[in-house]
Amino acid sequence: GDSVTQMEGPVTLSEEAFLTINCTYTATGYPSLFWYVQYPGEGLQLLLKATKADDKGSNKGFEATYRKETTSFHLEKGSVQVSDSAVYFCALSHNNDMRFGAGTRLTVKP
Amino acid sequence: EAGVTQFPSHSVIEKGQTVTLRCDPISGHDNLYWYRRVMGKEIKFLLHFVKESKQDESGMPNNRFLAERTGGTYSTLKVQPAELEDSGVYFCASSQDRGSPQHFGDGTRLSIL
Repeated sequence: GDSVTQMEGPVTLSEEAFLTINCTYTATGYPSLFWYVQYPGEGLQLLLKATKADDKGSNKGFEATYRKETTSFHLEKGSVQVSDSAVYFCALSHNNDMRFGAGTRLTVKP
Repeated sequence: EAGVTQFPSHSVIEKGQTVTLRCDPISGHDNLYWYRRVMGKEIKFLLHFVKESKQDESGMPNNRFLAERTGGTYSTLKVQPAELEDSGVYFCASSQDRGSPQHFGDGTRLSIL
């Protein structure tokens, strides 16, 4: 069945460092891909999405490109801030069924 | 507009007791979903309502879990009797249409002692 695998955390970075969180997926057909973020004490929020191959989703300085050839949707940010500390979930939606990765906890230190 | 709200935010009960979680979706959203994240693992789908009907309950772990959505508005998820392995964070989400982005609540953290 459909599944998502994302890099295990936790990830600890210094402020202004470059961030990459890897995500790969397995699915039949052409799923939509998402990154959700959960800030401390809050619920899941949609961070960005891409609905077809080669689409790039972007929001708040974060980017991810839908790579069909490598079945990947890696999350990147050029310069992280302390306020980016959160848990990040990669997810796919296929036939309206959502599948999530295990989440990656990011801590950004000043 | 008000977002998806879940109650309680945190529940601590003893093994064998009963707990009921509540989810109020965004007004007008026919689709309501329950998910669970156990022990820092992936968020897993439990079930999907379309209005008051269960569209897909393939993710429900066993018959100790009962979800209802009477009247097609809010939903409850009852765990009876609760077991240790039921501990985790239970998320509710709603969407207007199938294929629309799902909006998540803050989750209910359930701790079974």
